[in-house]
Amino acid sequence: GQNIDQPTEMTATEGAIVQINCTYQTSGFNGLFWYQQHAGEAPTFLSYNVLDGLEEKGRFSSFLSRSKGYSYLLLKELQMKDSASYLCAVTDSNYQLIWGAGTKLIIKP
Amino acid sequence: ETGVTQTPRHLVMGMTNKKSLKCEQHLGHNAMYWYKQSAKKPLELMFVYSLEERVENNSVPSRFSPECPNSSHLFLHLHTLQPEDSALYLCASSPSGQAADTQYFGPGTRLTVL
Repeated sequence: GQNIDQPTEMTATEGAIVQINCTYQTSGFNGLFWYQQHAGEAPTFLSYNVLDGLEEKGRFSSFLSRSKGYSYLLLKELQMKDSASYLCAVTDSNYQLIWGAGTKLIIKP
Repeated sequence: ETGVTQTPRHLVMGMTNKKSLKCEQHLGHNAMYWYKQSAKKPLELMFVYSLEERVENNSVPSRFSPECPNSSHLFLHLHTLQPEDSALYLCASSPSGQAADTQYFGPGTRLTVL
């Protein structure tokens, strides 16, 4: 079966750095997305990786290793507004989008 | 602001009621999606429309009936629902319906079935 694993919940301190991991087992791979979802709001696009390596976008970076079936989202200089759920999703060989259950990130002062 | 709106934002209905969820996108996209989001579970894709034609139906029970009258509007008609159908229903759109597209989500309708 196809599976996306990410931690259910993480806690970090304002101003610190946090890494949210995502591992996947899918039938093929055609790209990996990260979305952010604040409570009661719509998921919003953060990043898309299709090649190995690190993509940096301001305070957020996303890393992909296709050989390991692994990605992480790195958030630097954490702010209280970063408290949200972070969703990992993978496009498989049939171009179906497989979603993880999301990681709830709690930022403490 | 995402450019995708959903109404109503909250809905409480009995198992014998009939109601409809509405989604509208103002982004000029050609594809629209319905998802079900339950607590601590992955997003479940329900329906995909591309250029107003249904291209995917992930074995959704017939008590959920989608309608896409044009590329900007999407409805989800509900009837004789079950309590386990209580969830957040998200609508999304994307430029072309390709899985590599970024999807733009609406804020969702929180549905409670009594």
